Amino acid sequence: QKEVEQDPGPLSVPEGAIVSLNCTYSNSAFQYFMWYRQYSRKGPELLMYTYSSGNKEDGRFTAQVDKSSKYISLFIRDSQPSDSATYLCAMSPSSGSARQLTFGSGTQLTVLP
Amino acid sequence: ETGVTQTPRHLVMGMTNKKSLKCEQHLGHNAMYWYKQSAKKPLELMFVYNFKEQTENNSVPSRFSPECPNSSHLFLHLHTLQPEDSALYLCASSQDGTGDGSPLHFGNGTRLTVT
Repeated sequence: QKEVEQDPGPLSVPEGAIVSLNCTYSNSAFQYFMWYRQYSRKGPELLMYTYSSGNKEDGRFTAQVDKSSKYISLFIRDSQPSDSATYLCAMSPSSGSARQLTFGSGTQLTVLP
Repeated sequence: ETGVTQTPRHLVMGMTNKKSLKCEQHLGHNAMYWYKQSAKKPLELMFVYNFKEQTENNSVPSRFSPECPNSSHLFLHLHTLQPEDSALYLCASSQDGTGDGSPLHFGNGTRLTVT
């Protein structure tokens, strides 16, 4: 079993739709959870960062963590064609070092105009 | 120049060639990383340098040889590669040890094709 599971997609939605992207994990030591966005021909960029369980909102994006279910989600409201990218989840047991990050394989999202 | 810069953007090499990938970060970070990104697979951490010292080598074959002359520059020297080494090679940097999650800042990668 992979440490982090992420549906690779591809996922296509119409503009304005609510998008839900998810990851499950098996390591209960994970405490820090991140979402990276990667546009075509670009490197990943940090989109959202959360600690432990709960929700975090930033504009149209909401990150949700359910540690009891070992499940994290990224919601995108009013999706735009500019949101078309690959979304990578990442998680770590500690905050001090990026070398402990474990990534999902990424979900490719296309928002159709 | 800002952020993390990688050169070249694309590289095609034969299995007997020797080439190098270059990475430079302008963020003042103390840690630098090489990752391999293959289609439909998670990012694979290859090497970690902290203050120029290699602190991690994730069982990477010796045909990949990293070099970190200072905390702003990182190289990946390649020789006698195999076709399965074809992938996107990403460099990243972070400010380790700050306790803020140490988010990674990535370059745009070098797309490597081994023929």
